[in-house]
Amino acid sequence: DAGVIQSPRHEVTEMGQEVTLRCKPISGHNSLFWYRQTMMRGLELLIYFNNNVPIDDSGMPEDRFSAKMPNASFSTLKIQPSEPRDSAVYFCASGAGTSGRGGLRSYNEQFFGPGTRLTVL
Amino acid sequence: LAKTTQPISMDSYEGQEVNITCSHNNIATNDYITWYQQFPSQGPRFIIQGYKTKVTNEVASLFIPADRKSSTLSLPRVSLSDTAVYYCLVGDHLYNQGGKLIFGQGTELSVKP
Repeated sequence: DAGVIQSPRHEVTEMGQEVTLRCKPISGHNSLFWYRQTMMRGLELLIYFNNNVPIDDSGMPEDRFSAKMPNASFSTLKIQPSEPRDSAVYFCASGAGTSGRGGLRSYNEQFFGPGTRLTVL
Repeated sequence: LAKTTQPISMDSYEGQEVNITCSHNNIATNDYITWYQQFPSQGPRFIIQGYKTKVTNEVASLFIPADRKSSTLSLPRVSLSDTAVYYCLVGDHLYNQGGKLIFGQGTELSVKP
């Protein structure tokens, strides 16, 4: 299993340009998550999908950010226009979900990709 | 969501046992306790999860007292490669939070030779 695949691994762009980050989740997983990590704010959840449907986008910082999941094997996170403060490492993660055991609900382990390091000049 | 508190950083030496304690006073009945590990320039990786008492796997042990208001991640005989940030998360992640993981600041563990 190749794990979660993200591309590009590094992206350097100029302010105002459109940036598209891509993610291929682990086959069979039904949940996909986009995170952003910076030194100042740590690891933040931006948006997540369940069965290709966006469930919670409350973490998306502003309208310049958008995410899509057209099918179970592909998702994009787009920033348009990009700004220097968007510089960060963006992680995509996928999860399979588990059923309850003995009346207690189980946890959905998430598998993270290697991340895309974005630098906006 | 239960708030977690853990030390910002810890130092250790190779071969020692490391215990990282996380406080979660407001843990709810359905909440699980989960630890993730993040190496530099990599995404976080699931280490261990528990609900109560003790859980052990090939990587670590997780000790949870009866009141569940805290938990301790134990790493036996650490090596240099265990240098990483360790995150403690608490929640009923799958159902009540829809799978959302809320990461705190984590504990930066530095293992020295």
